[in-house]
Amino acid sequence: NAGVTQTPKFQVLKTGQSMTLQCAQDMNHEYMSWYRQDPGMGLRLIHYSVGAGITDQGEVPNGYNVSRSTTEDFPLRLLSAAPSQTSVYFCASSYSVGNTEAFFGQGTRLTVV
Amino acid sequence: SQQGEEDPQALSIQEGENATMNCSYKTSINNLQWYRQNSGRGLVHLILIRSNEREKHSGRLRVTLDTSKKSSSLLITASRAADTASYFCATDAVPSGTYKYIFGTGTRLKVLA
Repeated sequence: NAGVTQTPKFQVLKTGQSMTLQCAQDMNHEYMSWYRQDPGMGLRLIHYSVGAGITDQGEVPNGYNVSRSTTEDFPLRLLSAAPSQTSVYFCASSYSVGNTEAFFGQGTRLTVV
Repeated sequence: SQQGEEDPQALSIQEGENATMNCSYKTSINNLQWYRQNSGRGLVHLILIRSNEREKHSGRLRVTLDTSKKSSSLLITASRAADTASYFCATDAVPSGTYKYIFGTGTRLKVLA
């Protein structure tokens, strides 16, 4: 059972570069989400999806794009990386929102220089 | 702004003691969950309590929910060094209808052997 798989685990980007953080789950979960975690800020919701073809913004969506073409995959795109996007990014999935447990990936530690 | 805030931000106790951490939230909820995060890892689900429940137990964990005060507490009894981690509450905001699942800022627990 793979659960939620995030790649890469670590990444260093230069300001202005773009990249895609990958997230895949094999539990047939409809709900997937991306969070960023910064010291003292807890987890903040970036974008989420309630099913294939349906995405919406979270608390801090600026500078990020998402798409959900399949149930399994929910990639997060950084359009033009900025130092303020240096953070640890977590992908999560659950059968539904709120009333079932969420499963988290191991995180991607991103540094933008 | 974030839905939940944990209190205290940090807690240090001796092994064998009980640890209590609190979560306050801002809007009505359907469910509240608690998660644990070991250093550098993803979050792991601990327990879910529904808005019509007042107390729930799971092993050494006891969770209470007071919807009138918009607060919850997590009690870990007979703490062990392995309980050292950050603990987060998470809520689904109602009646936003936006399927957002929001985490609090977390409590860092250190259990001294």
